[in-house]
Amino acid sequence: SQTIHQWPATLVQPVGSPLSLECTVEGTSNPNLYWYRQAAGRGLQLLFYSVGIGQISSEVPQNLSASRPQDRQFILSSKKLLLSDSGFYLCAWSTQGSRGQPQHFGDGTRLSIL
Amino acid sequence: AQKVTQAQTEISVVEKEDVTLDCVYETRDTTYYLFWYKQPPSGELVFLIRRNSFDEQNEISGRYSWNFQKSTSSFNFTITASQVVDSAVYFCALSGRGSRAQKLVFGQGTRLTINP
Repeated sequence: SQTIHQWPATLVQPVGSPLSLECTVEGTSNPNLYWYRQAAGRGLQLLFYSVGIGQISSEVPQNLSASRPQDRQFILSSKKLLLSDSGFYLCAWSTQGSRGQPQHFGDGTRLSIL
Repeated sequence: AQKVTQAQTEISVVEKEDVTLDCVYETRDTTYYLFWYKQPPSGELVFLIRRNSFDEQNEISGRYSWNFQKSTSSFNFTITASQVVDSAVYFCALSGRGSRAQKLVFGQGTRLTINP
């Protein structure tokens, strides 16, 4: 069966520090991968998605970047964090090929910027 | 453009009551897919159900049921005999023919609180 791992679970970082969040998927090949952010009490905002290694699409201009160095690895990064980067970050995957596939989410990372 | 509206921001009921969460969508695609997700207090999103636009049959899974009506562009979710463990934020989402990436358009979510 497929599983998705996301770490760390919580992170407290000072303003201006770098960031690296990692997500890996097991049990499937060539998945679509996604990064979402959820502000407190708000809905989900799609940040990045990827349909293959090295292929990254950004949905909103921001202080963050994403990379996909391996088929089942998706990394969210920042060189200098802002206060507005605080939030709950979720990674997700879906099967490529047929339409209408659900996305399956990791447990998320709670990021607090001080 | 695609849009999902969950007009109920918060709902609070007493345990064992039935509760319906509303979802209204907009799309120009003739083929599309609708989803419901549950986000418990721990934070992860749990996939509950997917319906495609050609299948208007209602679905029941235990205490959960879903009513899909194309005529009103709605995909409502009912919990029968609610329990405290049903307390969560519920999201409705839409996926159209779109791109290979199969992006989802999410509603803003409904926070459901079941009181003992």
